[in-house]
Amino acid sequence: SAVISQKPSRDICQRGTSLTIQCQVDSQVTMMFWYRQQPGQSLTLIATANQGSEATYESGFVIDKFPISRPNLTFSTLTVSNMSPEDSSIYLCSVVEGAREQYFGPGTRLTVT
Amino acid sequence: GENVEQHPSTLSVQEGDSAVIKCTYSDSASNYFPWYKQELGKGPQLIIDIRSNVGEKKDQRIAVTLNKTAKHFSLHITETQPEDSAVYFCAATGGGGADGLTFGKGTHLIIQP
Repeated sequence: SAVISQKPSRDICQRGTSLTIQCQVDSQVTMMFWYRQQPGQSLTLIATANQGSEATYESGFVIDKFPISRPNLTFSTLTVSNMSPEDSSIYLCSVVEGAREQYFGPGTRLTVT
Repeated sequence: GENVEQHPSTLSVQEGDSAVIKCTYSDSASNYFPWYKQELGKGPQLIIDIRSNVGEKKDQRIAVTLNKTAKHFSLHITETQPEDSAVYFCAATGGGGADGLTFGKGTHLIIQP
């Protein structure tokens, strides 16, 4: 499967600031997604990162809060804007490859103080 | 939208015994059902999946069964080992896996030595 890396692996940020998370894949992939995993909880889909066009957001997530870029088939960024303590979560990117299997990166652990 | 229920939330078994985790889904259009294992501090790892045209799939000690009529699927782990201890998530999606996933709430599997 593809090797997926995320930067940063973890960060502690102050409320009101923004953080951009990077997701890098070692091969070209068509489908990329961003998920959020709140502490001790399950994963929730934030958006589909579409290459060359605007991301498709799930109900409850908006572009102003979680802007996403996908400049090419190997890279995407997710920005968490104007952060509050409720944004403290693990943010994960995933890619689809092969026979439609979905693989996840290691995650970015965000704490907002 | 899709809703996935997962039970139990915690499962403790003796080493060498079998473990079964069950999930139900609501959307009859869902056709791809992966299972993930998540260890502490890591991203989810795909361990097995099943598509709607198959009733059962096995990979060594792990098997998954699907009942489309009842809209439920199960993960079976035989001859459990200490390294099987982790949180397991089931998920469902339509689009054959090319869409974002809807996850269950997770099962914390504890293997007692």
